[in-house]
Amino acid sequence: SQQGEEDPQALSIQEGENATMNCSYKTSINNLQWYRQNSGRGLVHLILIRSNEREKHSGRLRVTLDTSKKSSSLLITASRAADTASYFCAPGTGGFKTIFGAGTRLFVKA
Amino acid sequence: EAGVTQFPSHSVIEKGQTVTLRCDPISGHDNLYWYRRVMGKEIKFLLHFVKESKQDESGMPNNRFLAERTGGTYSTLKVQPAELEDSGVYFCASSQQGLGYTFGSGTRLTVV
Repeated sequence: SQQGEEDPQALSIQEGENATMNCSYKTSINNLQWYRQNSGRGLVHLILIRSNEREKHSGRLRVTLDTSKKSSSLLITASRAADTASYFCAPGTGGFKTIFGAGTRLFVKA
Repeated sequence: EAGVTQFPSHSVIEKGQTVTLRCDPISGHDNLYWYRRVMGKEIKFLLHFVKESKQDESGMPNNRFLAERTGGTYSTLKVQPAELEDSGVYFCASSQQGLGYTFGSGTRLTVV
């Protein structure tokens, strides 16, 4: 298990704009997951990308993975006020424990 | 299929009191995890059960925290006595294969 570090720490955009947040990690992974936490609520699993994949889409979400740079990015297109939340990445090494970073706080202004 | 259920959703207690949080995982999930997020900081791993056994409890902050998983079904996390720094959101998650965990909605604990 290992920890991902998200960047930026905070991001504020207008509704309709795209939001991009990044994740870096230290060692080799089997997969990487992105989660969202709305204020005071539970974690919601957004998407999982495997180490042999470079890009994955799910609705308005696009995730990329660059294993040579040990980084991933999450793009949210046409953002909505409801996308306001904290976003976390979780690099996975096949072990059971998932370690989270401090997350990126996204604020989408209506 | 029912998701991971946590109870209570919110608890406010005084410093020195005891609180017990409960987590009901998805039926059939052997793996159960507890995490905590304190005041906008990172989500910290607390411990991991495989069925009723503690697989990894390296994240438990101190001996005021006690986790149990009776019969490999639901789990409880007891904080006794609670301190101010224990305030935060406590998450439970379950999985069958260690990937793509399902998280509960969390328990917001406020110690005053």
